[in-house]
Amino acid sequence: DAGITQSPRYKITETGRQVTLMCHQTWSHSYMFWYRQDLGHGLRLIYYSAAADITDKGEVPDGYVVSRSKTENFPLTLESATRSQTSVYFCASSGSVEGYTFGSGTRLTVV
Amino acid sequence: ILNVEQSPQSLHVQEGDSTNFTCSFPSSNFYALHWYRWETAKSPEALFVMTLNGDEKKKGRISATLNTKEGYSYLYIKGSQPEDSATYLCASPIQGAQKLVFGQGTRLTINP
Repeated sequence: DAGITQSPRYKITETGRQVTLMCHQTWSHSYMFWYRQDLGHGLRLIYYSAAADITDKGEVPDGYVVSRSKTENFPLTLESATRSQTSVYFCASSGSVEGYTFGSGTRLTVV
Repeated sequence: ILNVEQSPQSLHVQEGDSTNFTCSFPSSNFYALHWYRWETAKSPEALFVMTLNGDEKKKGRISATLNTKEGYSYLYIKGSQPEDSATYLCASPIQGAQKLVFGQGTRLTINP
């Protein structure tokens, strides 16, 4: 199916564990983004990518790692999960001027 | 960091009434202004992308205007319906880049 998909939809992990959130898009959009949604802060940019093998930090990158070896995939890894990383994570892509297209989100709980 | 501000934070409107809310952004180095609609338990959906001063966009009962010189945009909803209940986000990219900075949103509730 065309679109942008995130997996998993829900994840519970323990403090200190590494966890990877997946994002896949089928439009060959150049730009991809990871945002987290937090009460009182709205959507905050974690990392973004302008093309394969080009990534850059956003507003809140600490504790996260991204890679983009293929245009269609943009995984986000929490190297050592902390409770403060409990959040809803949204992946988005953008081809040009139409605005972002968001995935359905991953609700991550760190216990 | 670019600051994008929205007001009010929340709004309750009677079904059938019209309403509007505001997004303000720095007027210098303006690039574009986006509006998104975000329903509970779903993901944000793009409504409008506006780039030129004086732009007006319309989609059904929803319209938006843009004033880049004074740094604000208005979103209008005419004849509100219960399905209009959502959070409305505006966002602006850092100049020349695709990175959007989002406002905190206006949470709209339509009372039947």
